[in-house]
Amino acid sequence: DAGVTQSPTHLIKTRGQQVTLRCSPKSGHDTVSWYQQALGQGPQFIFQYYEEEERQRGNFPDRFSGHQFPNYSSELNVNALLLGDSALYLCASSPPQRGNGYTFGSGTRLTVV
Amino acid sequence: GQQLNQSPQSMFIQEGEDVSMNCTSSSIFNTWLWYKQDPGEGPVLLIALYKAGELTSNGRLTAQFGITRKDSFLNISASIPSDVGIYFCAGQLYGGSARQLTFGSGTQLTVLP
Repeated sequence: DAGVTQSPTHLIKTRGQQVTLRCSPKSGHDTVSWYQQALGQGPQFIFQYYEEEERQRGNFPDRFSGHQFPNYSSELNVNALLLGDSALYLCASSPPQRGNGYTFGSGTRLTVV
Repeated sequence: GQQLNQSPQSMFIQEGEDVSMNCTSSSIFNTWLWYKQDPGEGPVLLIALYKAGELTSNGRLTAQFGITRKDSFLNISASIPSDVGIYFCAGQLYGGSARQLTFGSGTQLTVLP
């Protein structure tokens, strides 16, 4: 049973560009959350998608947007990249039953130069 | 917003020793989670706590959900080399349908042979 799959694993972009990161949730999971993890820090919540809608959003600017597809997979888009957007972007999925822990993917390492 | 204070920031211990780390919060949580993150990987769930005062074990790991719902600790007994990594606490507060996680800044554990 595949866990959470993220692509690509590494990415280098230039300041001002746009980027799309992809996530396939664990089988049986319907909710996808995205987190940004800067070097030496804990993950910070970006937003959560459920039933193809953004259900909750953390303290991130509108340059960060997302989408969830009918098969529960998700994309994270970041526009007008800044150097400070360099981080590990983690996708986490969770099942319909409340109270079960999230399963995280291995992340996409984004470097903005 | 909610913040988690995790301590210590780093630990160097001898193989076979016991380890203790803790998290405190400025506000309450419904759930406390402990994750371990290895280099290049996403966080992996170690223990989940759902009830104030709950004490839960997973092999050599023991964690407790503080009675005030504002703190939690993780103990690792008889440490081994594979315990090396970064340990994160995370709190979860259910509000409506929201289930975001708030993470601590991590404890870097090094086990010396």
